[in-house]
Amino acid sequence: DGGITQSPKYLFRKEGQNVTLSCEQNLNHDAMYWYRQDPGQGLRLIYYSQIVNDFQKGDIAEGYSVSREKKESFPLTVTSAQKNPTAFYLCASRGDGRNRVGFGQGTRLTVV
Amino acid sequence: ELKVEQNPLFLSMQEGKNYTIYCNYSTTSDRLYWYRQDPGKSLESLFVLLSNGAVKQEGRLMASLDTKARLSTLHITAAVHDLSATYFCAVEITGTASKLTFGTGTRLQVTL
Repeated sequence: DGGITQSPKYLFRKEGQNVTLSCEQNLNHDAMYWYRQDPGQGLRLIYYSQIVNDFQKGDIAEGYSVSREKKESFPLTVTSAQKNPTAFYLCASRGDGRNRVGFGQGTRLTVV
Repeated sequence: ELKVEQNPLFLSMQEGKNYTIYCNYSTTSDRLYWYRQDPGKSLESLFVLLSNGAVKQEGRLMASLDTKARLSTLHITAAVHDLSATYFCAVEITGTASKLTFGTGTRLQVTL
């Protein structure tokens, strides 16, 4: 969706390495979300944040960490504790209007 | 725990035919979303259904919501090849933690 930018588009991680995925939105949305999608699967919630400086664990938070220091930014760190990080990661934000929850273009993470 | 089930998981249909995708969910919901995903891409918002009996249509797609039956349908009329994609429903329960729980998706293949 327009206004939600994820980077990088592709990311490669070595075993034991932490990596950070960026998500920025210029929509002035309060709520932001991180989802993980495995091939042929639906989306599973990792973390979400309803307001700056506050966030909650989703269904599969182990091995991940987030921060929400600014309203427009919600970076996700995939730590070495995440044993199977290869997946498609999608960031979303929620606001009023027709498209109430929109998604960024995603980051495809691969462990090498 | 909220469960969201879609069926069928895979649907192959000929151009010109009609078909319906079903989305059942296990608890009372405030909103229901439909998304489209093309291979390797992010999610595109199709519809947001906000109340019982809501019906929305765009082009060959029509979505409806029956909150009493905890059921939403996505009806495809006179399918065309361009509709080939994976379709997800997602249920939102508002409150202190507004987040989406996704179904497993329906992969639609429209053949010429």
